[in-house]
Amino acid sequence: AQRVTQPEKLLSVFKGAPVELKCNYSYSGSPELFWYVQYSRQRLQLLLRHISRESIKGFTADLNKGETSFHLKKPFAQEEDSAMYYCALKDTDKLIFGTGTRLQVFP
Amino acid sequence: KAGVTQTPRYLIKTRGQQVTLSCSPISGHRSVSWYQQTPGQGLQFLFEYFSETQRNKGNFPGRFSGRQFSNSRSEMNVSTLELGDSALYLCASSLVPGPTYEQYFGPGTRLTVT
Repeated sequence: AQRVTQPEKLLSVFKGAPVELKCNYSYSGSPELFWYVQYSRQRLQLLLRHISRESIKGFTADLNKGETSFHLKKPFAQEEDSAMYYCALKDTDKLIFGTGTRLQVFP
Repeated sequence: KAGVTQTPRYLIKTRGQQVTLSCSPISGHRSVSWYQQTPGQGLQFLFEYFSETQRNKGNFPGRFSGRQFSNSRSEMNVSTLELGDSALYLCASSLVPGPTYEQYFGPGTRLTVT
Protein backbone atom coordinates (compact mmCIF):
# COMPACT_ATOMS: atom_id res chain seq x y z
CA ALA A 1 0.00 0.00 0.00
CA GLN A 2 1.11 3.55 -0.63
CA ARG A 3 2.32 5.11 2.59
CA VAL A 4 4.30 8.01 3.95
CA THR A 5 6.16 7.62 7.23
CA GLN A 6 7.53 10.44 9.33
CA PRO A 7 9.16 8.65 12.25
CA GLU A 8 9.67 11.68 14.50
CA LYS A 9 6.73 13.46 16.08
CA LEU A 10 8.97 16.14 17.53
CA LEU A 11 12.40 17.42 16.62
CA SER A 12 14.06 20.01 18.83
CA VAL A 13 17.23 21.85 17.84
CA PHE A 14 19.01 25.06 18.74
CA LYS A 15 19.26 28.02 16.40
CA GLY A 16 22.11 27.56 13.96
CA ALA A 17 22.11 23.76 14.20
CA PRO A 18 21.50 21.59 11.14
CA VAL A 19 18.04 20.13 10.69
CA GLU A 20 16.93 16.92 9.01
CA LEU A 21 13.26 15.97 9.01
CA LYS A 22 12.87 12.37 7.93
CA CYS A 23 10.34 11.08 5.43
CA ASN A 24 10.13 7.58 4.01
CA TYR A 25 7.61 6.41 1.48
CA SER A 26 6.19 3.25 0.02
CA TYR A 27 5.07 3.53 -3.60
CA SER A 28 4.98 1.21 -6.58
CA GLY A 29 5.92 3.52 -9.38
CA SER A 30 7.72 6.78 -9.91
CA PRO A 31 6.95 8.87 -6.83
CA GLU A 32 6.08 12.53 -6.71
CA LEU A 33 6.77 13.99 -3.29
CA PHE A 34 6.10 17.23 -1.46
CA TRP A 35 6.78 18.96 1.82
CA TYR A 36 4.00 21.06 3.33
CA VAL A 37 4.45 23.32 6.37
CA GLN A 38 2.08 24.83 8.88
CA TYR A 39 3.36 27.71 10.99
CA SER A 40 1.59 28.58 14.23
CA ARG A 41 -1.89 30.01 13.55
CA GLN A 42 -1.33 29.88 9.80
CA ARG A 43 -2.67 27.68 7.05
CA LEU A 44 -1.05 24.60 5.66
CA GLN A 45 1.11 25.62 2.70
CA LEU A 46 3.40 24.04 0.18
CA LEU A 47 7.08 24.32 1.06
CA LEU A 48 8.65 22.46 -1.83
CA ARG A 49 8.19 19.61 -4.29
CA HIS A 50 10.85 17.28 -5.53
CA ILE A 51 10.12 17.79 -9.24
CA SER A 52 11.09 21.44 -8.89
CA ARG A 53 14.44 20.62 -7.27
CA GLU A 54 14.25 23.98 -5.53
CA SER A 55 15.48 25.43 -2.27
CA ILE A 56 12.88 27.34 -0.29
CA LYS A 57 13.75 29.29 2.85
CA GLY A 58 17.06 27.43 2.89
CA PHE A 59 15.36 24.01 2.90
CA THR A 60 16.18 21.30 0.38
CA ALA A 61 14.94 17.77 -0.08
CA ASP A 62 16.44 15.09 -2.28
CA LEU A 63 14.55 12.08 -3.49
CA ASN A 64 16.49 8.89 -2.78
CA LYS A 65 14.74 6.08 -4.60
CA GLY A 66 17.13 3.45 -3.26
CA GLU A 67 16.28 4.31 0.32
CA THR A 68 12.74 5.42 -0.54
CA SER A 69 13.31 8.63 1.34
CA PHE A 70 12.67 12.33 0.87
CA HIS A 71 14.27 13.93 3.91
CA LEU A 72 13.98 17.69 4.41
CA LYS A 73 17.23 19.43 5.32
CA LYS A 74 18.46 22.84 6.33
CA PRO A 75 22.07 23.56 7.29
CA PHE A 76 21.36 26.27 9.88
CA ALA A 77 17.98 26.34 11.63
CA GLN A 78 16.27 29.64 12.45
CA GLU A 79 13.69 30.27 15.16
CA GLU A 80 11.13 31.14 12.48
CA ASP A 81 11.45 27.59 11.11
CA SER A 82 9.50 26.31 14.12
CA ALA A 83 6.39 24.72 12.63
CA MET A 84 4.64 21.48 11.76
CA TYR A 85 6.08 19.79 8.67
CA TYR A 86 4.21 17.23 6.58
CA CYS A 87 5.66 15.03 3.90
CA ALA A 88 3.17 14.06 1.17
CA LEU A 89 3.09 11.61 -1.73
CA LYS A 90 1.02 11.96 -4.87
CA ASP A 91 -1.03 8.81 -5.47
CA THR A 92 -3.39 8.72 -8.45
CA ASP A 93 -4.09 12.42 -8.27
CA LYS A 94 -4.51 12.69 -4.52
CA LEU A 95 -2.09 13.41 -1.71
CA ILE A 96 -1.18 10.92 0.99
CA PHE A 97 0.23 12.76 3.99
CA GLY A 98 2.54 11.60 6.70
CA THR A 99 1.58 12.24 10.30
CA GLY A 100 3.85 15.24 10.54
CA THR A 101 6.90 16.30 12.54
CA ARG A 102 6.87 19.30 14.82
CA LEU A 103 10.13 21.23 14.58
CA GLN A 104 11.06 23.38 17.56
CA VAL A 105 14.02 25.71 17.17
CA PHE A 106 15.28 27.13 20.44
CA PRO A 107 17.21 30.42 20.64
CA LYS B 1 -6.20 38.13 -3.84
CA ALA B 2 -8.41 36.56 -1.19
CA GLY B 3 -7.48 33.12 0.03
CA VAL B 4 -9.60 30.04 0.42
CA THR B 5 -12.46 30.61 2.83
CA GLN B 6 -14.36 28.01 4.80
CA THR B 7 -17.58 28.41 6.71
CA PRO B 8 -18.42 27.89 9.42
CA ARG B 9 -15.13 27.86 11.29
CA TYR B 10 -16.51 25.93 14.25
CA LEU B 11 -19.46 23.62 14.55
CA ILE B 12 -20.91 21.44 17.29
CA LYS B 13 -23.36 18.72 16.36
CA THR B 14 -24.83 15.69 18.07
CA ARG B 15 -24.65 12.09 16.92
CA GLY B 16 -27.12 11.22 14.18
CA GLN B 17 -27.39 14.75 12.84
CA GLN B 18 -26.08 15.85 9.49
CA VAL B 19 -23.80 18.76 8.66
CA THR B 20 -22.87 20.80 5.61
CA LEU B 21 -19.54 22.59 5.31
CA SER B 22 -18.74 25.19 2.68
CA CYS B 23 -15.55 26.10 0.85
CA SER B 24 -14.97 29.06 -1.45
CA PRO B 25 -11.82 28.66 -3.55
CA ILE B 26 -9.43 31.35 -4.66
CA SER B 27 -10.89 33.29 -7.57
CA GLY B 28 -10.11 31.48 -10.81
CA HIS B 29 -9.40 28.15 -9.15
CA ARG B 30 -11.66 25.40 -10.40
CA SER B 31 -10.39 22.46 -8.40
CA VAL B 32 -11.40 21.92 -4.77
CA SER B 33 -10.16 19.07 -2.59
CA TRP B 34 -11.35 18.14 0.88
CA TYR B 35 -9.30 16.58 3.68
CA GLN B 36 -10.10 15.34 7.16
CA GLN B 37 -7.49 15.96 9.85
CA THR B 38 -7.55 14.08 13.14
CA PRO B 39 -4.86 13.52 15.79
CA GLY B 40 -4.96 9.76 15.24
CA GLN B 41 -5.14 9.51 11.45
CA GLY B 42 -3.55 12.77 10.40
CA LEU B 43 -4.58 14.32 7.10
CA GLN B 44 -6.72 12.07 4.92
CA PHE B 45 -8.07 12.84 1.46
CA LEU B 46 -11.84 12.87 1.16
CA PHE B 47 -12.58 13.91 -2.43
CA GLU B 48 -11.75 16.33 -5.22
CA TYR B 49 -14.08 18.29 -7.46
CA PHE B 50 -13.25 19.96 -10.74
CA SER B 51 -15.77 21.69 -12.98
CA GLU B 52 -18.65 20.41 -10.87
CA THR B 53 -17.54 16.78 -11.24
CA GLN B 54 -16.05 14.54 -8.60
CA ARG B 55 -12.70 13.42 -9.94
CA ASN B 56 -11.37 11.41 -7.08
CA LYS B 57 -12.57 9.96 -3.80
CA GLY B 58 -10.79 8.70 -0.73
CA ASN B 59 -11.65 5.76 1.48
CA PHE B 60 -14.54 7.21 3.41
CA PRO B 61 -18.05 5.82 3.85
CA GLY B 62 -20.94 7.02 1.75
CA ARG B 63 -22.08 9.26 4.60
CA PHE B 64 -19.48 11.69 3.33
CA SER B 65 -20.52 13.43 0.15
CA GLY B 66 -19.83 16.63 -1.66
CA ARG B 67 -20.67 18.78 -4.59
CA GLN B 68 -19.35 21.72 -6.51
CA PHE B 69 -21.29 24.60 -7.97
CA SER B 70 -20.78 26.44 -11.24
CA ASN B 71 -18.91 29.21 -9.40
CA SER B 72 -16.47 26.55 -8.11
CA ARG B 73 -17.68 26.84 -4.52
CA SER B 74 -17.90 23.44 -2.91
CA GLU B 75 -19.85 21.91 -0.09
CA MET B 76 -19.33 18.68 1.77
CA ASN B 77 -22.03 16.91 3.69
CA VAL B 78 -21.76 14.33 6.43
CA SER B 79 -24.94 12.49 7.31
CA THR B 80 -25.70 10.45 10.42
CA LEU B 81 -22.81 11.92 12.32
CA GLU B 82 -20.67 9.69 14.52
CA LEU B 83 -18.35 10.66 17.36
CA GLY B 84 -15.40 9.68 15.18
CA ASP B 85 -16.31 12.33 12.65
CA SER B 86 -15.00 14.98 15.04
CA ALA B 87 -12.12 16.52 13.13
CA LEU B 88 -10.74 19.54 11.36
CA TYR B 89 -12.02 19.57 7.80
CA LEU B 90 -9.74 21.34 5.35
CA CYS B 91 -10.40 22.30 1.80
CA ALA B 92 -7.79 23.26 -0.74
CA SER B 93 -8.11 24.89 -4.13
CA SER B 94 -5.90 24.86 -7.18
CA LEU B 95 -5.99 26.07 -10.75
CA VAL B 96 -5.94 22.60 -12.22
CA PRO B 97 -6.93 19.22 -10.78
CA GLY B 98 -4.48 16.96 -9.02
CA PRO B 99 -1.82 17.79 -6.44
CA THR B 100 1.15 18.35 -8.77
CA TYR B 101 0.57 22.06 -8.72
CA GLU B 102 0.27 23.99 -5.49
CA GLN B 103 -2.86 23.47 -3.46
CA TYR B 104 -3.92 26.44 -1.37
CA PHE B 105 -5.51 25.44 1.91
CA GLY B 106 -8.26 27.12 3.84
CA PRO B 107 -8.28 27.64 7.61
CA GLY B 108 -10.51 24.63 8.18
CA THR B 109 -13.83 23.93 9.87
CA ARG B 110 -13.54 22.37 13.32
CA LEU B 111 -16.43 19.90 13.73
CA THR B 112 -17.17 18.48 17.15
CA VAL B 113 -19.71 15.67 17.44
CA THR B 114 -21.13 15.04 20.92
